[in-house]
Amino acid sequence: DTGVSQDPRHKITKRGQNVTFRCDPISEHNRLYWYRQTLGQGPEFLTYFQNEAQLEKSRLLSDRFSAERPKGSFSTLEIQRTEQGDSAMYLCASSTGTGGPEAFFGQGTRLTVV
Amino acid sequence: DAKTTQPNSMESNEEEPVHLPCNHSTISGTDYIHWYRQLPSQGPEYVIHGLTSNVNNRMASLAIAEDRKSSTLILHRATLRDAAVYYCILLKNYGQNFVFGPGTRLSVLP
Repeated sequence: DTGVSQDPRHKITKRGQNVTFRCDPISEHNRLYWYRQTLGQGPEFLTYFQNEAQLEKSRLLSDRFSAERPKGSFSTLEIQRTEQGDSAMYLCASSTGTGGPEAFFGQGTRLTVV
Repeated sequence: DAKTTQPNSMESNEEEPVHLPCNHSTISGTDYIHWYRQLPSQGPEYVIHGLTSNVNNRMASLAIAEDRKSSTLILHRATLRDAAVYYCILLKNYGQNFVFGPGTRLSVLP
């Protein structure tokens, strides 16, 4: 197992365009998280899934953001009509989801909106 | 949600022990204490976690106060590769999202 994989690693887009990021969690991890991190700050929670069910969404996740996890495996995070304020590192993590376990994070996707 | 407070930054000399403190005075009985670290340009990395008893693993030790209102992450011999931001996080047994604070930026001096 190679850990949590995120694609792409870097994305530059023009303001107003839509972007989609993919996260492949560790196999058999039923919990998957999305976080956003700006320079000098700790990661901010966006949303998490238990299998295919999206159980919690942060108020940071505006209606321009949507996340899916079809079939409880990989997940996608889409941002529509990107704004410069969306520029950040988007991190994905997975865990087994029970007993206060550790989460494993991917390397992240760095989004730059120009 | 129970919150944690950590110093903004700390310095250590290489090969010396480092004690990173975390206060969590509003911790509840079901909160696990987790530590993660984030190296430059990397995602956060799990370091250690515990509930009540002190814990040791190959990376670090976790010392938990008897009243559980504070904990200390101990790196026994700091190396340059330990320079990172260290986050102390509380997580309930049944799991929830990880709430990261600003963490402690550890600098290791050669």
